[in-house]
Amino acid sequence: KQEVTQIPAALSVPEGENLVLNCSFTDSAIYNLQWFRQDPGKGLTSLLLIQSSQREQTSGRLNASLDKSSGRSTLYIAASQPGDSATYLCAVRQDTGRRALTFGSGTRLQVQP
Amino acid sequence: DARVTQTPRHKVTEMGQEVTMRCQPILGHNTVFWYRQTMMQGLELLAYFRNRAPLDDSGMPKDRFSAEMPDATLATLKIQPSEPRDSAVYFCASGLVLGQAYEQYFGPGTRLTVT
Repeated sequence: KQEVTQIPAALSVPEGENLVLNCSFTDSAIYNLQWFRQDPGKGLTSLLLIQSSQREQTSGRLNASLDKSSGRSTLYIAASQPGDSATYLCAVRQDTGRRALTFGSGTRLQVQP
Repeated sequence: DARVTQTPRHKVTEMGQEVTMRCQPILGHNTVFWYRQTMMQGLELLAYFRNRAPLDDSGMPKDRFSAEMPDATLATLKIQPSEPRDSAVYFCASGLVLGQAYEQYFGPGTRLTVT
């Protein structure tokens, strides 16, 4: 059974810092990995989708990397802003069997102005 | 701006009552998912449909939960009878499966409180 772990569970940084969020998964037979953002009381917004054949994806100040063989992904946020404060969730989709996403428990990020 | 819609956004009900949650997937998407989010368990898959047919509902308590897609524009999740432990946020997501690749788009969720 796939398990997804995110470290740290919570992070507080001053505005302007570059930061890295970590995600690890136990079964490397994944089809893709998706990073989401969730604001309090709101739904999930997809940030980046990395196919298993890719090493990284970039969108603006966000860069996500994937090392499938070691079961790891990182989300890099450059020049953090208070508006980046949210919970960031990592989710993987298996190569076979269930096609839905398995989620990590998230990293709650607070960017201090 | 296409998006997944869910109704109601909030529902408070008493134990034993029937609850129906509705989802309108993005037009043209052929796969619909139902997830449940709680503080203790995080996000869990309950069920999903492809082209309106249920593919996997193994995450759902069968005795009280049921999920259907009466048509391509509506998915429903029903709980009967509801229990306090069902209190959670229920998310619907949709995606367009082309071969293997697709991205999931989430609705805003239905926050259910069972007293």
